[in-house]
Parts: sequence; structure tokens; C-alpha cells
Amino acid sequence: AQTVTQSQPEMSVQEAETVTLSCTYDTSENNYYLFWYKQPPSRQMILVIRQEAYKQQNATENRFSVNFQKAAKSFSLKISDSQLGDTAMYFCAFSINSGNTPLVFGKGTRLSVIA
Amino acid sequence: EAQVTQNPRYLITVTGKKLTVTCSQNMNHEYMSWYRQDPGLGLRQIYYSMNVEVTDKGDVPEGYKVSRKEKRNFPLILESPSPNQTSLYFCASGRTYEQYFGPGTRLTVT
Repeated sequence: AQTVTQSQPEMSVQEAETVTLSCTYDTSENNYYLFWYKQPPSRQMILVIRQEAYKQQNATENRFSVNFQKAAKSFSLKISDSQLGDTAMYFCAFSINSGNTPLVFGKGTRLSVIA
Repeated sequence: EAQVTQNPRYLITVTGKKLTVTCSQNMNHEYMSWYRQDPGLGLRQIYYSMNVEVTDKGDVPEGYKVSRKEKRNFPLILESPSPNQTSLYFCASGRTYEQYFGPGTRLTVT
């Protein structure tokens, strides 16, 4: 069974600073996807970034980037130039790349961006 | 606009009163699923459906039922709700690499 661990229940960062959220996972699969989802106070689940395990290059989306370490089974999210709108719960998630498979989520990290 | 809709968005009910939360998607996705979100636990899958008339249990199926009679709809049924089913529920549809979530249904069972 796959597991996803987020070891930081809460974090805070000053506006315009950089913050890194940690995620580790456990799987025996070799072909999978990793995701970071953002859940603002509106509760909507928003996909922030996606990484395919077979790609060595780390994914980036504007101010969001990941550090994917496949051997270490680590998948951290870096948010640069933090903005007040980044305040949200962030979930790391895993999915095997085999047809349609469920997302396995971590427990989340609550990020507060402070003005 | 591609979307997943859920209704109702908020529901307060009493123990034992049957309820249905509807979910509909307009993207012609074969795969749909239900998750519940609880503080400190993240999201956990309740049930999923690979296609019409094909459903299977996720990690926390006890106390829930689903049906998939049409491709676009995947309702979640609580036949006898209990207070431990108070939670935030999400419907999702899509493929492995991209799943779309509904807006969530906040359910309170008293």
C-alpha cells in the first residue's frame, strides 16, 4: 500500500519570502505521479503542480516548484515570493500511473502567509 | 466550462435519516470517486467507479453506498447516517494524472 507523509502540520512565512513544504512517500511502484493540491478557505481543491516519476526534471509552475528525489522518496514544494493568497492547506498526493487509480493524500500542511 | 458539481453544499441532518449527495461531471470521464476530509487525516477515498455500473470500495466505505447508472452522475448515499459521518465530502472525476474536484459538501449529523 502507498502512504504519503507530511511532517509539518503548520507553517508560516513572511510575505515575499520563500517557504518549503515537505512530503515523503512510500511505494514499491516505479511509475507514478505526485501532486501538490492547495485548499484555500473556500475549501476548493486546486491542483498546484504535478510531477511524473519517470521525469528527472523537477516540475515548476510560476512561483511554485518541486524538489523530487525519487531514490529518497521525497517530494517537497517550494513557494517563492509568498503572497497572502497562498495562505491555505496544502496536500501532497500520490497516484500510481496505471489506468484510473485513486489519489492517496497526506494529512496536509496549513500554511499561513504573514504580512 | 469543465466542472464537477455537488449538491447540496451544506447539509445538517439527524442520525438515521437517509440522505443522498449528488455529483455530476460534464467532462465525459469514466473514473469518478468520493473522498471524505477530516481534520488531521487528509482526504480518504470512500468509493470509486471505473465506469457505468462498475463501482468498488475505497479505504473507508463503511456506512456508504454509491451507484453509477449514468456516466455523468455518481451519487453518494448514506442510508442511516451517524455522527461519525460528519465530514467534508468531495466528489472527483478524471484520470490518473488529472482529477477534478467538486466544491465539497459539508455534512453534519446530529
